[in-house]
Amino acid sequence: NAGVTQTPKFRVLKTGQSMTLLCAQDMNHEYMYWYRQDPGMGLRLIHYSVGEGTTAKGEVPDGYNVSRLKKQNFLLGLESAAPSQTSVYFCASSSLDRNSPEQYFGPGTRLTVT
Amino acid sequence: TQLLEQSPQFLSIQEGENLTVYCNSSSVFSSLQWYRQEPGEGPVLLVTVVTGGEVKKLKRLTFQFGDARKDSSLHITAAQPGDTGLYLCAGYSGGSNYKLTFGKGTLLTVNP
Repeated sequence: NAGVTQTPKFRVLKTGQSMTLLCAQDMNHEYMYWYRQDPGMGLRLIHYSVGEGTTAKGEVPDGYNVSRLKKQNFLLGLESAAPSQTSVYFCASSSLDRNSPEQYFGPGTRLTVT
Repeated sequence: TQLLEQSPQFLSIQEGENLTVYCNSSSVFSSLQWYRQEPGEGPVLLVTVVTGGEVKKLKRLTFQFGDARKDSSLHITAAQPGDTGLYLCAGYSGGSNYKLTFGKGTLLTVNP
């Protein structure tokens, strides 16, 4: 199994451009998450989904939109990129274990906005 | 807002030394997880602790969950260069959204 995959791995955007990051998981997990990781800030939750067709805001949702049209895919969109969105983006999926929702992460997308 | 404070933020040691990393909070968690992240990769789950006072061992790594389920520690014995990475703790406080609260991590460098 591939686990969690993310495309693209690297991307450079100019301010104002738009793009979509794709996350796919083959573990049949209900829950999926998008994080950004910045130096000194740790992992911050952008948006998450508790099932197909549902999405919710996380800690830092402004400037991002998401969609979960299929259970295995979770898309993160930037409508008008800003330099402050330069970051490494990680997608994760989670099992439904009530005691320990273990999250499985993708390899990340490194985004630079100039 | 629940916070997890990790210390130290950076740690550089020689191969063969022992070390302990701490993860502290004022909040109670249902479970706590430790992840390791290598450069250019996503975090990978090492262990989950669920019961207060629980101790789990993974080869040279020992994880402990505090009795009050507010803190945790990771002890590495005889560190090796392959242990180098960012160690993240993450707490789960319950709820149906399965969100985790992550600490900012401890960056460990083990020099040969």
